[in-house]
Amino acid sequence: EVQLVESGGGLVQPGRSLRLSCAASGFTFDDYAMHWVRQAPGKGLEWVSGISWNSGSIGYADSVKGRFTISRDNAKNSLYLQMNSLRAEDTALYYCAKDRGYFPNGYFDYWGQGTLVTVSS
Amino acid sequence: EIVLTQSPGTLSLSPGERATLSCRASQSVSSSYLAWYQQKPGQAPRLLIYGASSRATGIPDRLSGSGSGTDFTLTISRLEPEDFAVYYCQQYGSSPLLTFGGGTKVEIK
Repeated sequence: EVQLVESGGGLVQPGRSLRLSCAASGFTFDDYAMHWVRQAPGKGLEWVSGISWNSGSIGYADSVKGRFTISRDNAKNSLYLQMNSLRAEDTALYYCAKDRGYFPNGYFDYWGQGTLVTVSS
Repeated sequence: EIVLTQSPGTLSLSPGERATLSCRASQSVSSSYLAWYQQKPGQAPRLLIYGASSRATGIPDRLSGSGSGTDFTLTISRLEPEDFAVYYCQQYGSSPLLTFGGGTKVEIK
């Protein structure tokens, strides 16, 4: 059974940093691209970032480019999102999602339950 | 960036009725690279349809997707109680930017 478990969310002040993690199990992690997708309270879904199976291809939404960094550790079956210079508009539930293929250009066939990030002073 | 516009914003229907949800793209979605997701309150989204018309594993055949180019449709032939939820479309033909529509809520009338 595929499982994606996010962690690392919490309350953080504007301008500060936070690192999210996603622990994956139930599939061959290094055979698939992975993504972060967020959902602000009461709002729709927004793709944040994606990374290919070997970290060779990475993409970011314009809203986070230059502030967020996605990475993965295939030996640990883990995905990460380093979030710097956080803003109030980054407040959201952050989902880890598995891509259907090697590269971060597909649809999301499995999702975690999300970790909540709240940016507020 | 491809912008996806979903309509209507809310659909009020009764169980047993047919639901038709629209997703319109600002430019052509290559190779019908369009997916649909269902999200219920407090839950993560669930993949329903990919490639515009292929059902994901375990999705009942009362849900179907169609369309190409810039116009796509998700149809639920007969609404069951578990179908009342929010539905999102997503395009993946224009990488590396992946985009979602704003969602359609299907509520009980």
